[in-house]
Amino acid sequence: QKEVEQDPGPLSVPEGAIVSLNCTYSNSAFQYFMWYRQYSRKGPELLMYTYSSGNKEDGRFTAQVDKSSKYISLFIRDSQPSDSATYLCAMTPGTGKLIFGQGTTLQVKP
Amino acid sequence: EADIYQTPRYLVIGTGKKITLECSQTMGHDKMYWYQQDPGMELHLIHYSYGVNSTEKGDLSSESTVSRIRTEHFPLTLESARPSHTSQYLCASSIGETQYFGPGTRLLVL
Repeated sequence: QKEVEQDPGPLSVPEGAIVSLNCTYSNSAFQYFMWYRQYSRKGPELLMYTYSSGNKEDGRFTAQVDKSSKYISLFIRDSQPSDSATYLCAMTPGTGKLIFGQGTTLQVKP
Repeated sequence: EADIYQTPRYLVIGTGKKITLECSQTMGHDKMYWYQQDPGMELHLIHYSYGVNSTEKGDLSSESTVSRIRTEHFPLTLESARPSHTSQYLCASSIGETQYFGPGTRLLVL
């Protein structure tokens, strides 16, 4: 069983929809949680960073961490075609080494 | 905004050739990483360094080697490339637990 599970999708939504992306994990020691966006043939770009449980909002993006359920989410409001990419969750207990999910491919149709 | 550079961006070479993938960052980060990513798959850590003259193997076994003689430079070398080495190679550097990625090198070994 993988330490971090992420539904690979693909997920297809109409423009303007609210998107929910999720990851589950098994290691209760994880303390730092990140979401990266990766466009085709590019390197991952950091979107959100959260320490421990709680919510964090940045523009149209909201990250949620529920450590009791070992579950993290990324919400995208008013999704745009430019949001079409692969979204990777990543986490670490603080060792400097990140554990990544497989990534969810999102397509936002105009 | 992270300043991390990788060259070449694309490389097609024949079996048995020696290659070096370059990675450099201008942020003064002590920690640097190399990942391997196949299409649609998660990132796998193959090497990391927490400072000059410090290198460690990652979670995924790799026939490549790395060196860290200067803080800003973390090259990866394959002594004899094989078709099984065909993949995308991503370099990253970090401050704290947050990693910033370069654009990647796509390697094709014929």
